[in-house]
This record gives sequence, C-alpha cells and structure tokens, in this order.
Amino acid sequence: AQSVTQLDSHVSVSEGTPVLLRCNYSSSYSPSLFWYVQHPNKGLQLLLKYTSAATLVKGINGFEAEFKKSETSFHLTKPSAHMSDAAEYFCVVSEGNQFYFGTGTSLTVIP
Amino acid sequence: ETGVTQTPRHLVMGMTNKKSLKCEQHLGHNAMYWYKQSAKKPLELMFVYSLEERVENNSVPSRFSPECPNSSHLFLHLHTLQPEDSALYLCASSPVGTYYGYTFGSGTRLTVV
Repeated sequence: AQSVTQLDSHVSVSEGTPVLLRCNYSSSYSPSLFWYVQHPNKGLQLLLKYTSAATLVKGINGFEAEFKKSETSFHLTKPSAHMSDAAEYFCVVSEGNQFYFGTGTSLTVIP
Repeated sequence: ETGVTQTPRHLVMGMTNKKSLKCEQHLGHNAMYWYKQSAKKPLELMFVYSLEERVENNSVPSRFSPECPNSSHLFLHLHTLQPEDSALYLCASSPVGTYYGYTFGSGTRLTVV
C-alpha cells in the first residue's frame, strides 16, 4: 500500500536559518515524488518533483529535496528561510494514475 | 496564474440552494480533478476525469455532481449541501497519468449556512 508521512505538522524557523521539512513514503514500485506549497487562500503550487532521474532535485524559490531510497525519504530543504516561505507544504507520492498526499506541514518563519 | 482558473473564488450558499463551481484550463491537459480540502484533514480526491470520461468516484455523496463537457472545462454541481461540506474545493489538471504532477487552481472557498 502506498502512503505518505509528513513527520512534522508544524515547523518554526527564524528568518535566514535553514529549513527542513520531512517526508517518508511507502511504495511498492519506483514512485514519482513531489512537493507542493500552498499559501493562505491559494491553490497548491508545484515546488519540485523527482521522477527517477537525479536523486537531488532542485525546485523553485531555492528549495531542494533528496530522494533516498534506502530511507524511503524525500525531505525538503532550503538553506535560508525567507518570510515569504511561510505556507503549508505537502509531500505527494504518485504511482500509476494515483496521487497520495501527506497531511501537510505548516511552516512559520519568525522575523 | 497557474493556467487553471476556478470561479467563483468564494461562495456562500444555503442548504437548499443549487450552485455550480467552474474550472477551466487551457494547458492542453487531458485529465481534470476535483479535490476537497477541509481544515486539519488530508486532501480528498472527489472526482477524476481522464479524456473526458469519469474514472473514479470515491464514494462522494450524490449532492455533489461533476460534469466535464470537454477537456478544458470541469464543473461541480452542488445541491442540498450540509454545513460539513464547507471547505476549499480545488480543481487540478494534468496530462494523462501523474508523471508530470498536477497544476492546481486557486480554489473555491465554499461556506454552507
């Protein structure tokens, strides 16, 4: 069975410090993995995706994620948080025609 | 703008009303989706249309009725809703299959009173 676990429902960081949002997945096959961001009262925007090419994936707004098959993880990182990064982040696994969403991590950036 | 446009952005309706949500995309995608996003709950897939045919229903109550007249337009018809149906309704589109990910609209914030 496929599932996605976002290990933290809330993360707070100070502006200028690194961001780490954790995601673990379970999948029977080689999955495609995505991170989406949702700002208040907005839809979900694709940050980055992994589709069996390079394991380190670079996305928009300075975000990166590394696919680690041995750890079944796809953690999202950013070296230096900006106030505009405050939002909800969703890790997503896809297999075939199905998308499986994590429950989201709310990121707060403290000035 | 993402290329997926949802209207209206906000909707307040009584439990006896009938209303429709609209979604439009001109990205050349062949699959469209309705999702429900409630506070503190995971996104719920409601309906999938692939090549204009419904492929999944997920046991959504019949008070929600989707319509996909062509590959660019998707509607969600609402009637006799309940207060617990208040949520953000998100439309998404993609090429057929999930390899490329979804493009989401900004959503319709629905409040049922």
